[in-house]
Amino acid sequence: DTGVSQDPRHKITKRGQNVTFRCDPISEHNRLYWYRQTLGQGPEFLTYFQNEAQLEKSRLLSDRFSAERPKGSFSTLEIQRTEQGDSAMYLCASSPRQGSMNTEAFFGQGTRLTVV
Amino acid sequence: AQSVTQPDIHITVSEGASLELRCNYSYGATPYLFWYVQSPGQGLQLLLKYFSGDTLVQGIKGFEAEFKRSQSSFNLRKPSVHWSDAAEYFCAVKNTNAGKSTFGDGTTLTVKP
Repeated sequence: DTGVSQDPRHKITKRGQNVTFRCDPISEHNRLYWYRQTLGQGPEFLTYFQNEAQLEKSRLLSDRFSAERPKGSFSTLEIQRTEQGDSAMYLCASSPRQGSMNTEAFFGQGTRLTVV
Repeated sequence: AQSVTQPDIHITVSEGASLELRCNYSYGATPYLFWYVQSPGQGLQLLLKYFSGDTLVQGIKGFEAEFKRSQSSFNLRKPSVHWSDAAEYFCAVKNTNAGKSTFGDGTTLTVKP
């Protein structure tokens, strides 16, 4: 297993367009997280899944954002009607189930979104 | 609500010098604490973590951190910095009963030759 994989690595889109990002977690990890990181800031939590269930969503996740994890494996994050303020690095992470000693999150390389 | 403060936005040290990056957290119980490192345009790599037990934890690349409950701190240290350590460093706290982590805004480390 090569770790958490995110696709694409970079995306440039025009304002108003929809974009979708994909994340493939480490195979035995049942928790999957999405974070957003803007320049000069730390990652900000967006949402997380345990298996296919979306357990928590941040208030940062406006109604233009939607995330899915249909089979409890890969996840997608869609942004509709993109705005320039959506330009950021979108990070995906995964971790093993609660109760395991290894509860740190393993991060992917991120998807850099630029809205022009 | 949990929060993390990294008071130093930018630190410059000479190669071979010692390093300490500060992290203060706010959380009601004993948290899970982490330090991550991020190179430009890359994701985050875990340096070390504290869950319980020994308050001095060792990590990768020669880093260590000490959990001090009385000071709500989890400072990162390295005795001798290498040029390859130049990067951004993030401290994070995780609620033991929830999935998400809360990150500080990071400290950028520059290493002078």
